[in-house]
Amino acid sequence: GNSVTQMEGPVTLSEEAFLTINCTYTATGYPSLFWYVQYPGEGLQLLLKATKADDKGSNKGFEATYRKETTSFHLEKGSVQVSDSAVYFCALPTQGGSEKLVFGKGTKLTVNP
Amino acid sequence: DTAVSQTPKYLVTQMGNDKSIKCEQNLGHDTMYWYKQDSKKFLKIMFSYNNKELIINETVPNRFSPKSPDKAHLNLHINSLELGDSAVYFCASSQDLASGGRNTQYFGPGTRLTVL
Repeated sequence: GNSVTQMEGPVTLSEEAFLTINCTYTATGYPSLFWYVQYPGEGLQLLLKATKADDKGSNKGFEATYRKETTSFHLEKGSVQVSDSAVYFCALPTQGGSEKLVFGKGTKLTVNP
Repeated sequence: DTAVSQTPKYLVTQMGNDKSIKCEQNLGHDTMYWYKQDSKKFLKIMFSYNNKELIINETVPNRFSPKSPDKAHLNLHINSLELGDSAVYFCASSQDLASGGRNTQYFGPGTRLTVL
């Protein structure tokens, strides 16, 4: 089945710094790719997604581009805020057409004022 | 107004006990899931139901038994609790099976289970 490798943290940044969290995948075909975010004490929520190659997902200043050449879906934000402190998960379906997701190990981001 | 809700939020119990966690979604979704998140934040699917029918059953001890009385509810019953069952359990839901894996999953707030 498909798999995902995510940069492990923790990542600590100062406010307004640039963020990159790397995510690469191994997949058959071109599955949808997702970034989920988990704020402290909460469940996961979708941050952004891309459903086909070269798509760019964006939300709350975060962006990720579905790059089939490098099998990557790196998460970026130009200027992080303290409120972005959370755990970020890259995910994709385990196989074509499946609703079952496989998640990366999560990257904990802490943003200091 | 909560889309996916779980009860209880915290559950502390002794080894050997039997406990249940309840999940409800008001999104009208057909598919529901249970995930386990360990202390290192690693998230793994346990079960999935579609319209009250079991469709995903990972390698989970048979002490764990999901029950779906209707498509808006998916409860998790755990028998003979063990120390290793301590984790955060998340319920989630998504629209249907026909999206080809494009569906967003909506997660509940989690139930932190501590087995002493």
